[in-house]
Amino acid sequence: DAKTTQPTSMDCAEGRAANLPCNHSTISGNEYVYWYRQIHSQGPQYIIHGLKNNETNEMASLIITEDRKSSTLILPHATLRDTAVYYCIVRERDDKIIFGKGTRLHILP
Amino acid sequence: DVKVTQSSRYLVKRTGEKVFLECVQDMDHENMFWYRQDPGLGLRLIYFSYDVKMKEKGDIPEGYSVSREKKERFSLILESASTNQTSMYLCASSFAGTGYNEQFFGPGTRLTVL
Repeated sequence: DAKTTQPTSMDCAEGRAANLPCNHSTISGNEYVYWYRQIHSQGPQYIIHGLKNNETNEMASLIITEDRKSSTLILPHATLRDTAVYYCIVRERDDKIIFGKGTRLHILP
Repeated sequence: DVKVTQSSRYLVKRTGEKVFLECVQDMDHENMFWYRQDPGLGLRLIYFSYDVKMKEKGDIPEGYSVSREKKERFSLILESASTNQTSMYLCASSFAGTGYNEQFFGPGTRLTVL
């Protein structure tokens, strides 16, 4: 079973910030939180990852709560090209990563 | 940029055929993975490999085998294809080590077994 819980789907207006939540209440101390997305008919694409601190890159920001039991991926100015399924993943031993069902994000024009 | 390529984007095979899906990465990654993706089920790990000639079962290895004779190439084999193996197959690779290594994915192979 996946170690994360995400909403099945979300809508966001184009140009607005998209905030995608993820619950990972059983995360252990050495596990990282990763986010990937998958645009229709393409392979998954890495977005960002973090351990404890908030992270930002050219694609998104990742906010992790102090107790690390949940996190939020923020796309600051969503565009239609951000329509995709977003996966929040907690990394298990070595490199095995379990993908859950993700959140289907619809960007509305 | 890391490039992960898969031998075919679309493949149609008949029940009972032996099927080879090839994956090649060009960034000298130690780790390689095979997943399948089905509607409503997300991505599920079939097999992975940490090194040449090394393989480990993932969550759904039944009906599949793998081969890694060279570091850059990881093959998924369906010994006798069945209709329930119709799916999107995704290959990925990453560097070895602990912590925060990313997996880079190929474009996928959509396999249909008739």
